[in-house]
Amino acid sequence: DIQMTQSPSSVSASVGDRVTITCRASQDISTWLIWYQQKPGKAPQPLIYAASHLQNGVPSRFSGSGSGTDFTLTIRGLQPEDFATYYCQQANSLPLTFGGGTKVETK
Amino acid sequence: QLQLQESGPGLVKPSETLSLTCTVSGDSISSDFYYWGWVRQPPGKGLEWIGSWHYSGSTYYNPSLKSRVSISGDTSKNQFSLKLISVTAADTAVYYCARIKDSSGWDGRRIDPWGQGTLVTVSS
Repeated sequence: DIQMTQSPSSVSASVGDRVTITCRASQDISTWLIWYQQKPGKAPQPLIYAASHLQNGVPSRFSGSGSGTDFTLTIRGLQPEDFATYYCQQANSLPLTFGGGTKVETK
Repeated sequence: QLQLQESGPGLVKPSETLSLTCTVSGDSISSDFYYWGWVRQPPGKGLEWIGSWHYSGSTYYNPSLKSRVSISGDTSKNQFSLKLISVTAADTAVYYCARIKDSSGWDGRRIDPWGQGTLVTVSS
């Protein structure tokens, strides 16, 4: 199985801040990396697929980068609705595996 | 608009079988390009892919659960189902059903959309 490691596990930030979340795969997954946002009591929603492609309807303040084993999700100009937990998922091979999540909290 | 809705018991006794059904509206589960699957999330914890089913009969399961899980579909009802046998407290989680893109294209294996989730508690 491919292990996905996210860091940090939580980050405190303020509206307007830039937030960076990293995800590391235990082996080369090319750009087969998807980012999700999950709000309390809700199902995850995809934000970015293929490491850097924005899902339709997702604000451009979200961006993704990386390839191989190291990936980054960046939120530029954090908005109130962005306080949530973010997960990465590798889509390279089965079993599909997720990072442990990063909670973006209010500072 | 594609929607998925989980249904089934919210409480299951240890050693018994967890059974959930996902009803799909707005799309057919007989699609060549999509699998239909389950993901679970223990309270306060992360996400775990359980497995996926394709209308052709192909199924893929997480090796960590493979000996206890089965996923099947009923195309006449546009539903698919999850069965997990011999449950323990460790199986307590919110269970999500979801559509999973096949491995082709830039969005391969993207999980979208998801159902709202249903909490299943394993307790006597």
